[in-house]
Order: sequence, then C-alpha cells, then structure tokens
Amino acid sequence: GQNIDQPTEMTATEGAIVQINCTYQTSGFNGLFWYQQHAGEAPTFLSYNVLDGLEEKGRFSSFLSRSKGYSYLLLKELQMKDSASYLCAVMDSNYQLIWGAGTKLIIKP
Amino acid sequence: GAVVSQHPSWVICKSGTSVKIECRSLDFQATTMFWYRQFPKQSLMLMATSNEGSKATYEQGVEKDKFLINHASLTLSTLTVTSAHPEDSSFYICSASPGEHTEAFFGQGTRLTVV
Repeated sequence: GQNIDQPTEMTATEGAIVQINCTYQTSGFNGLFWYQQHAGEAPTFLSYNVLDGLEEKGRFSSFLSRSKGYSYLLLKELQMKDSASYLCAVMDSNYQLIWGAGTKLIIKP
Repeated sequence: GAVVSQHPSWVICKSGTSVKIECRSLDFQATTMFWYRQFPKQSLMLMATSNEGSKATYEQGVEKDKFLINHASLTLSTLTVTSAHPEDSSFYICSASPGEHTEAFFGQGTRLTVV
C-alpha cells in the first residue's frame, strides 16, 4: 500500500528553526509537495521537489532523498503566523497526490 | 500563481436537500480536477477525480450517486451533494493543476453544514 508518515504535532519557539520530516512509500514517484494549511482554510503551496537535494525559498527550505523515501521542510526565523498544519504529499505514478496526515506546528513566544 | 475559485465558501442546508459546489480554474484550463473532503483535524481525503467530458473516477467507499460530479468544461467542475445528511457536514475542497508535473492549486474550500 501507499503510505506517508509525518509527525502529528511539533512545538517550536518564535525566532527558532524547526524541521518537519516526511517519509513515504508509494507506487511510483513524480514529485513531493509541501503545503501549509491554516485552520479552516484550504492548503497553500509551499514547495515541490522532484530531484534530490535542497530547495530554498526564503525562510522555507525543502529537502528530498528519493533513495531513502525521505523529505523534510525546514522553517527558519519562525513567526507566530507560521502556526499551521504542514502537509506532505507525493505524486504517484498515476499523477495522483497521496497525502500525509499533516503536522500541526505550534509556535510559542 | 494559477487561481482556482470555489463557491460557495460556506453553506447550511436542511437534511434531505441537495447542495451544489462549483470549482473554476480562472486563468488556466484543467482537463482534470480533484475533489477532497476534510473532517476536522484530519488529512485531505480524495473523493473523486473529475475528468472533462467524461465520467468522474470515484475513490473506494465514495457513493457516486450521492456525490454527483460534472466537469462541463475545461474550467468548471461541480460537486452536488444529493439528499444531504448531517454526517455529510464537512469541508470540501477542489484542486486543479495546469499540467501533470506542476503543483495543485486549491479552491478556497466549502464548509457544508447539514442541519
């Protein structure tokens, strides 16, 4: 079966750095996405990785290792508005998105 | 980025009535759109894949006669919840991609409450 694992909840301090991990087992791989979702709102796109390595975009970076079936989302200089759920999703061989359950990130002052 | 518009944002309906939710891609054509349902504190669950000009593909466990999907054009897909019941109350979200290898853009979501 297809499976995506990420921690249920994480807590971090304003101004600090946090890394949210995601491991996956899917039938085929056509890229990995990270989305941010605030409570009661639709997800918004953060990043897309299809090749191994680190992609940096402002305060957010995303890393992929296809051989290990592993990705992480790195958030720097945390702000209170970063409190949200972060969803990892993998596009399988049929170009369908397989979703993780999401990681709820709590930022404390 | 590309824009996907979903309407309405929220709706309250009586049990037994039907509700239609629209999903439009405003600045690109989408041969495929996706409909998701999300219960509180849970992940997105794919309900069906909407294909322009053909029947939708439903995920296992999703009643196709209850959740009617119509993809009338390359920019519009509709989801109709028929004979709604309180257990259908949920957050419904659509998404579409400009191409196969690009990110999915989401509509704003529709919060359905059936009373």
